[in-house]
Amino acid sequence: NAGVMQNPRHLVRRRGQEARLRCSPVKGHSHVYWYRQLPEEGLKFMVYLQKENIIDESGMPKERFSAEFPKEGPSILRIQQVVRGDSAAYFCASSPQQANEAFFGQGTRLTVV
Amino acid sequence: GENVEQHPSTLSVQEGDSAVIKCTYSDSASNYFPWYKQELGKRPQLIIDIRSNVGEKKDQRIAVTLNKTAKHFSLHITETQPEDSAVYFCAASPGGTSYGKLTFGQGTILTVHP
Repeated sequence: NAGVMQNPRHLVRRRGQEARLRCSPVKGHSHVYWYRQLPEEGLKFMVYLQKENIIDESGMPKERFSAEFPKEGPSILRIQQVVRGDSAAYFCASSPQQANEAFFGQGTRLTVV
Repeated sequence: GENVEQHPSTLSVQEGDSAVIKCTYSDSASNYFPWYKQELGKRPQLIIDIRSNVGEKKDQRIAVTLNKTAKHFSLHITETQPEDSAVYFCAASPGGTSYGKLTFGQGTILTVHP
């Protein structure tokens, strides 16, 4: 679904820098999910947000990672002090309020050098 | 938490043959089971899904079956075409207001030879 917009598509960061990944859900969708996909692996759930609320962050690493979905603007996944192991594709998905399938964005490919 | 196992990890078929991918899940509370197709470097795209109150669903050449008692579900692709070549992921979700919280299988690399 072309409606979920993620940017940037590619992001290169040096070790120790911060990475900020943005996700604009399909218009009208109030549920946002972030997933991480390591090379040649499946997607792993990280966090589920609704506007101004974190609903489930059971998949988020305990340190350096945070997410928000403010009242206005896109959802942001923030990774502080990046390390090489953070290199992955990060996908955002959104779904409508009334429980339906999730549509994925094109992803942000983070490379830590 | 939920655990989803997917087999086989790779599958190679001739054009026109059928392909079957199988998944098992562990959490009996899961009641939504989507399948995604992912081409290299692209987003996962939903190709078919099934909810727990249904045993089978078909959409043209693609079908999915669900056995809740045994906790397994399968993807069937008939009359395969080279453009079906991709990585396929199964997933499970508790549904409700959390349809998007998915536990994915490890993926199956499907190659369809012309």
